[in-house]
Amino acid sequence: DVKVTQSSRYLVKRTGEKVFLECVQDMDHENMFWYRQDPGLGLRLIYFSYDVKMKEKGDIPEGYSVSREKKERFSLILESASTNQTSMYLCASSLPTGAGNTIYFGEGSWLTVV
Amino acid sequence: GENVEQHPSTLSVQEGDSAVIKCTYSDSASNYFPWYKQELGKRPQLIIDIRSNVGEKKDQRIAVTLNKTAKHFSLHITETQPEDSAVYFCAASYNQFYFGTGTSLTVIP
Repeated sequence: DVKVTQSSRYLVKRTGEKVFLECVQDMDHENMFWYRQDPGLGLRLIYFSYDVKMKEKGDIPEGYSVSREKKERFSLILESASTNQTSMYLCASSLPTGAGNTIYFGEGSWLTVV
Repeated sequence: GENVEQHPSTLSVQEGDSAVIKCTYSDSASNYFPWYKQELGKRPQLIIDIRSNVGEKKDQRIAVTLNKTAKHFSLHITETQPEDSAVYFCAASYNQFYFGTGTSLTVIP
């Protein structure tokens, strides 16, 4: 059974703080993703990674960066948190796309920036 | 890039009735179409998927249909139960996953 674990479920941070959201998967998946989920907007892709040290921008990368130093771990970094980054963040992983492999999600990290 | 549209955004049905959620996509290269169910405060979980070489797939009370020519696919839930209440997301995938904006389904006992 695939397990995607997000270490922080609920966080409250102050404007301007640097925020780290950590994600670990245990299925040796090549791909890892960070999405942001907001009511009425669905799931919006922030960044994804298809290999260690590789990253690609998604639809809304502004204000975020990522790090993938090990295959199983993908971190989302908010360099200077702002109130408009208050949201639920979902990490996900998958085998290579294009071959009908599905994506598996973590439980989500609820971030409030005050 | 791919654009996935999902309708309706909210849906209420009486217990025992059927529910249908529809999605359209724009990129003919998309070849994999999963559906996810997300209960309140929980992660989205895969409930059924279909690949582009198949027109229909069924799993107990849940079915998905795909019309490649029209670029649309639908989720059908029959004999709905209160525990079916959740947000449902469709997605289209080829080299990336593109999600619809979700349908909030409420099954009224």
